[in-house]
Amino acid sequence: DQQVKQNSPSLSVQEGRISILNCDYTNSMFDYFLWYKKYPAEGPTFLISISSIKDKNEDGRFTVFLNKSAKHLSLHIVPSQPGDSAVYFCAASPNGGSQGNLIFGKGTKLSVKP
Amino acid sequence: KAGVTQTPRYLIKTRGQQVTLSCSPISGHRSVSWYQQTPGQGLQFLFEYFSETQRNKGNFPGRFSGRQFSNSRSEMNVSTLELGDSALYLCASSLFRAAETQYFGPGTRLLVL
Repeated sequence: DQQVKQNSPSLSVQEGRISILNCDYTNSMFDYFLWYKKYPAEGPTFLISISSIKDKNEDGRFTVFLNKSAKHLSLHIVPSQPGDSAVYFCAASPNGGSQGNLIFGKGTKLSVKP
Repeated sequence: KAGVTQTPRYLIKTRGQQVTLSCSPISGHRSVSWYQQTPGQGLQFLFEYFSETQRNKGNFPGRFSGRQFSNSRSEMNVSTLELGDSALYLCASSLFRAAETQYFGPGTRLLVL
């Protein structure tokens, strides 16, 4: 039973355009969310996070939006660059990160074409 | 500050053997978690160690075990290897809890023949 779902295994975007990666969760106890980027043969790199007290968090070209009522979050990358081509993982944790562990989605492979 | 390091980076074993993987967390981080990544399965949580104690465990058989030393370094052991154990094994560290922001090492690629 997947608690964190990334329903699009892959996404292709033109350089300079917006990339939108989506993530849905089922556990209403989740209140801390993160996005990681992973290149082949490397470990995941932390990108950005958001807690449930906010609905938006921005860091440079990366913005994460959280819709608690829909149990949905998205990562926007604007503008997309070829170096953004990687697998993006969404992760969630309950109770403000005070217990348990991160639960990861299966990832979305983003390809940014020049 | 040095990141999370893992050794070895690549490993080839045969069925029935055992393997030990090592992880050194970021200095000051006391929580170390291990994950298995296989194609199409995302990152599956194996276990978390904190203060030399296993604090949390995922849904893996007992062949998968680990330990943590007083300097927070951690090892993971897989006994009686099976073909299905071929995967990328990732170690991640965080300050205190596995549910916080974690920082990953480069992983150990294990191939079981």
